[in-house]
Amino acid sequence: DSGVTQTPKHLITATGQRVTLRCSPRSGDLSVYWYQQSLDQGLQFLIQYYNGEERAKGNILERFSAQQFPDLHSELNLSSLELGDSALYFCASSGGVGSGETQYFGPGTRLLVL
Amino acid sequence: GQSLEQPSEVTAVEGAIVQINCTYQTSGFYGLSWYQQHDGGAPTFLSYNGLDGLEETGRFSSFLSRSDSYGYLLLQELQMKDSASYFCAVRDTQAGTALIFGKGTTLSVSS
Repeated sequence: DSGVTQTPKHLITATGQRVTLRCSPRSGDLSVYWYQQSLDQGLQFLIQYYNGEERAKGNILERFSAQQFPDLHSELNLSSLELGDSALYFCASSGGVGSGETQYFGPGTRLLVL
Repeated sequence: GQSLEQPSEVTAVEGAIVQINCTYQTSGFYGLSWYQQHDGGAPTFLSYNGLDGLEETGRFSSFLSRSDSYGYLLLQELQMKDSASYFCAVRDTQAGTALIFGKGTTLSVSS
């Protein structure tokens, strides 16, 4: 158990809809990262937050947005969903004392867009 | 841009030793990490090499040669439970401490 929690575990929705994925980082970690994993693209970095502020952006679509709240949990919002957004979405955290380069991944949310 | 290359598949038998290679191209380098992912599960950190040489953690070792932009993960005394995907990763120099992952190597261990 990494200490990172994600909800929901599974999500099935229709094209055009909007969903929100939730992540609670490991206790003491200030950084939260969102990654998307699909069969054809592998693990791709989407966005990073550090202590409530956006730190870096990767290959995140404009239809996607995220935020990190004062209690450090984070939400990833996916809107106008398309079939190609079906993927595993992982949240990871880091930055706590002694964590070094390690990123701790949550169990992921499996999104299926029909 | 940044990229990592690793073999897509490796097969081995229980008790054997297997080496998974990774070559990378990056404009800035902060070290090479390795992650393990069982089917459908979360990636789990295995090791990190910031400097050249070998890092050993139990049955797993990782090596880095910065001059060759090359590293490998060595798995010894293979067990069935080692069947998983293994990813090498480097920091995305355009994105703080985020990681860029290789496509992953699927290791299949048979009895």
